[in-house]
Amino acid sequence: EDKVVQSPLSLVVHEGDTVTLNCSYEVTNFRSLLWYKQEKKAPTFLFMLTSSGIEKKSGRLSSILDKKELFSILNITATQTGDSAVYLCAGGIQGAQKLVFGQGTRLTINP
Amino acid sequence: EAQVTQNPRYLITVTGKKLTVTCSQNMNHEYMSWYRQDPGLGLRQIYYSMNVEVTDKGDVPEGYKVSRKEKRNFPLILESPSPNQTSLYFCASSFGTGVEAFFGQGTRLTVV
Repeated sequence: EDKVVQSPLSLVVHEGDTVTLNCSYEVTNFRSLLWYKQEKKAPTFLFMLTSSGIEKKSGRLSSILDKKELFSILNITATQTGDSAVYLCAGGIQGAQKLVFGQGTRLTINP
Repeated sequence: EAQVTQNPRYLITVTGKKLTVTCSQNMNHEYMSWYRQDPGLGLRQIYYSMNVEVTDKGDVPEGYKVSRKEKRNFPLILESPSPNQTSLYFCASSFGTGVEAFFGQGTRLTVV
């Protein structure tokens, strides 16, 4: 059975800290690993990773995939209160119209 | 603006009263899906569609129906809602498989 596990489930840090969110996956016919940010309602897309070892960056956020060890991390540097959200990791399956989601990590940034 | 639009955003209904949640996308995507999100369980796929008139079950299809008569629309139908279908529902669309999906704003459904 396809499975995506995120850790930690919840994280509280102070503004300015750096955080690392973890995602491990067991997905047959793996195609991609995706990260989403969910604030109030709709998940919004952050990154899609398909190749091992190639870091993707967007401002203070970055992510990398390890296809040998089957995990990905999402880093956020110099956190701001606006980074508070649930971060979702999902595995994309080749040839299947389905994303397999993890439970999410609830990140809270205190001023 | 590229978007996926769901309606209604909030709905409270009674057990057994048929309802439809609409979903429309303006990106000409072939692939559309419905997910439900429950605490501790993440998002789980209910149904998906790969093109007009082509639909199939996801992981939790029981109690739901869908149709895809036009490319842009993918309504979710609950013929006889029950309290265990109380959840947050998302429609999503994408241009391919295993790639970025665009999500609607969500529909918070409560069945009493």
